[in-house]
Amino acid sequence: NAGVMQNPRHLVRRRGQEARLRCSPMKGHSHVYWYRQLPEEGLKFMVYLQKENIIDESGMPKERFSAEFPKEGPSILRIQQVVRGDSAAYFCASSRSLEETQYFGPGTRLLVL
Amino acid sequence: EDKVVQSPLSLVVHEGDTVTLNCSYEVTNFRSLLWYKQEKKAPTFLFMLTSSGIEKKSGRLSSILDKKELFSILNITATQTGDSAVYLCAVEPNQGGKLIFGQGTELSVKP
Repeated sequence: NAGVMQNPRHLVRRRGQEARLRCSPMKGHSHVYWYRQLPEEGLKFMVYLQKENIIDESGMPKERFSAEFPKEGPSILRIQQVVRGDSAAYFCASSRSLEETQYFGPGTRLLVL
Repeated sequence: EDKVVQSPLSLVVHEGDTVTLNCSYEVTNFRSLLWYKQEKKAPTFLFMLTSSGIEKKSGRLSSILDKKELFSILNITATQTGDSAVYLCAVEPNQGGKLIFGQGTELSVKP
């Protein structure tokens, strides 16, 4: 039973480019969560999605960041016009339902040059 | 504002020692508290606590929650070098979904 998959594991972008981070939840999980971990800081919630719906995006920056979880395929976290401050580890988690435990993927480490 | 605070931030012990990691929280409408272990990659789930005073155990690890005093502890007995990691405490508010994480405790176990 594969765990949460994220790709790429490492991503390097220059300022102004776009970054696309993918997350495939565990089998049978329809709830996906994105978190960001800045250097020397704890994990911070960004967005919670259920298939085709954004449920809570209270942690998402107002500009340049968007997330989707289409009916088919992985969840995507998209960062437009990246800046150096976007450099961080981005973790995805999934759960079977709102009441069940969130299981984390290995993360995507984004470096903006 | 909802907040989770862990202490200590870092800890160095020797193999065989027992350690206690602390997590205190201020959260509106608490639902559950979770502990994760983070090595180089994915945080891995350890415990979920919802009720006060009931100890959860898994091998050498155990954890308990005090909802009156708003804290939890994670105990590791007979530590091994493989226990070296960052231990994350997170609280889930009642509406569910997002987890609010503390800064983590970095544990280093020396041989």
